[in-house]
Amino acid sequence: GENVEQHPSTLSVQEGDSAVIKCTYSDSASNYFPWYKQELGKRPQLIIDIRSNVGEKKDQRIAVTLNKTAKHFSLHITETQPEDSAVYFCAASKGGGNKLTFGTGTQLKVEL
Amino acid sequence: EAQVTQNPRYLITVTGKKLTVTCSQNMNHEYMSWYRQDPGLGLRQIYYSMNVEVTDKGDVPEGYKVSRKEKRNFPLILESPSPNQTSLYFCASSLFGGRVDTQYFGPGTRLTVL
Repeated sequence: GENVEQHPSTLSVQEGDSAVIKCTYSDSASNYFPWYKQELGKRPQLIIDIRSNVGEKKDQRIAVTLNKTAKHFSLHITETQPEDSAVYFCAASKGGGNKLTFGTGTQLKVEL
Repeated sequence: EAQVTQNPRYLITVTGKKLTVTCSQNMNHEYMSWYRQDPGLGLRQIYYSMNVEVTDKGDVPEGYKVSRKEKRNFPLILESPSPNQTSLYFCASSLFGGRVDTQYFGPGTRLTVL
């Protein structure tokens, strides 16, 4: 089945800096790649997603890039703010039941 | 308000005592799923349902049962809980069962099995 690896497991940045989280997937048939943000004690919430027919997608300070050949995708957060501190999960799916395989998460800490 | 709800939110129980965690969504979603979240392991899928009366195993189904008799409800049943099932459980739903779509998560149920 699908395997998703996520790095780094922890990331500390200064407020205003950029943060990059990277994921690789194993199944070339995967075609949907969402990113979820989970604040402490809360549920995961979708922040951005990308489908395999698109190489890059941006939403304000957040962007995701996808390299299908290399089977990796990345989350980019620019101008980080303290409220960006959370655990971020990447995931991959190839439809057919909407099954999502998650990475192990990245704890992002934005320091003042 | 469109939402996914879970009950109970917190549960402490003992080994072998059957329990059910309920999940309900009011968005007429076809697809529902259960995940468990453990430190360092991310979210792992337990079972999923593409529609009423259609369920299938995820990555870690051992020790769990599910049913989907109504579109809005997808209960998770632990017939004989064991300490290794101590975890944070999330239910999720999405509009379509047959293709990829945004999944919306419930608030979570923290289960402790002594």
